[in-house]
Amino acid sequence: AQSVAQPEDQVNVAEGNPLTVKCTYSVSGNPYLFWYVQYPNRGLQFLLKYITGDNLVKGSYGFEAEFNKSQTSFHLKKPSALVSDSALYFCAVRDKVDSSYKLIFGSGTRLLVRP
Amino acid sequence: DTGVSQDPRHKITKRGQNVTFRCDPISEHNRLYWYRQTLGQGPEFLTYFQNEAQLEKSRLLSDRFSAERPKGSFSTLEIQRTEQGDSAMYLCASSRRDQSTGELFFGEGSRLTVL
Repeated sequence: AQSVAQPEDQVNVAEGNPLTVKCTYSVSGNPYLFWYVQYPNRGLQFLLKYITGDNLVKGSYGFEAEFNKSQTSFHLKKPSALVSDSALYFCAVRDKVDSSYKLIFGSGTRLLVRP
Repeated sequence: DTGVSQDPRHKITKRGQNVTFRCDPISEHNRLYWYRQTLGQGPEFLTYFQNEAQLEKSRLLSDRFSAERPKGSFSTLEIQRTEQGDSAMYLCASSRRDQSTGELFFGEGSRLTVL
């Protein structure tokens, strides 16, 4: 069974500082990994994905994520946080052999960037 | 690109009533997914369609829930005899069948409040 863990309910960071939002996953096969962001009363917006190749993937709004197979992690990072980055972030996994292509989501991490 | 649209955005109902949500996916997308998201949790997979065929249902989808996609375009999710525990955001997403590595595109959701 596929699963995702986001160990931090909330991450607090000062504007201009680097940020990291943690994610670990579990799949029976090889993973496809995704990050989404959700603003209040809105749907999920895609940020980035890892499919294969380079372990560091770059996405929207200056975000990037690093895939680490040995640690089964896919942490979201940004070199310099903005107040407007404050939102709810979800990590998701898809097993390559799952023909439904559905995503399994973590419980989310609230990012709060203070001015 | 009109995106995924959901209707209604908000629904307040009394316990025991039936409610129906509609989802219009992106026009060229033949896969459609329903998720449920409760406060403080990540989206949970409910069911998915490829064209008009419902190919997978989560055990979260009790007998009171039914989803249809009669012509392979829009979909409806009906909840019969609503209970307070059904209060949640119901999210619809779509994707293309030939994009196994592709992300899901989400609508803004339909928020259900059962009094």
